[in-house]
Amino acid sequence: AQTVTQSQPEMSVQEAETVTLSCTYDTSESDYYLFWYKQPPSRQMILVIRQEAYKQQNATENRFSVNFQKAAKSFSLKISDSQLGDAAMYFCAYRSGTSGGGADGLTFGKGTHLIIQP
Amino acid sequence: KAGVTQTPRYLIKTRGQQVTLSCSPISGHRSVSWYQQTPGQGLQFLFEYFSETQRNKGNFPGRFSGRQFSNSRSEMNVSTLELGDSALYLCASSPQGVNTEAFFGQGTRLTVV
Repeated sequence: AQTVTQSQPEMSVQEAETVTLSCTYDTSESDYYLFWYKQPPSRQMILVIRQEAYKQQNATENRFSVNFQKAAKSFSLKISDSQLGDAAMYFCAYRSGTSGGGADGLTFGKGTHLIIQP
Repeated sequence: KAGVTQTPRYLIKTRGQQVTLSCSPISGHRSVSWYQQTPGQGLQFLFEYFSETQRNKGNFPGRFSGRQFSNSRSEMNVSTLELGDSALYLCASSPQGVNTEAFFGQGTRLTVV
């Protein structure tokens, strides 16, 4: 079974600074997808960014970018120019690319609570 | 386009009762999946439906079941509720396939007393 590990339960950053959230995963598969989700106090999960394992290029979405190291099974999220609205729980998630959807759906890490200091 | 809608938002049930939660996916989405979120276990996958068929199932007891209707709406049912079933239940919809992202609803907060 795949596992996703987020080693930072909580991170704090000054507004306008840059912060990096760590994520590692364990899998024997070669075809998979990785995601970062944000869960604000409203509890709704919001997709931040996705990465296909077969793509070498790191995904970027505005102020959000990832550092995908396939050999190291590492998938970190960098948030540039942090804003107060970025404060939330951030979850790293894995999904198998196996036809049929993957037996386990999305596998989530335990999350990192990101605090933005004004 | 309307997002994923889950009803009810909050629910309080007594141990031993059963409960049904509903999820309406984004229009055009054919895949619906369910997750349980608790402080102790985090987010855990329950099951996934695609075109009215259960495609995948997580490691939960048989008390947890679900179904999907022809309009892609989905329901999950929990029978013989236990205190440990208290959780936020999240539903997510996807257009289809594994390579499309899941869009989540706001969840149903179930409290078992």
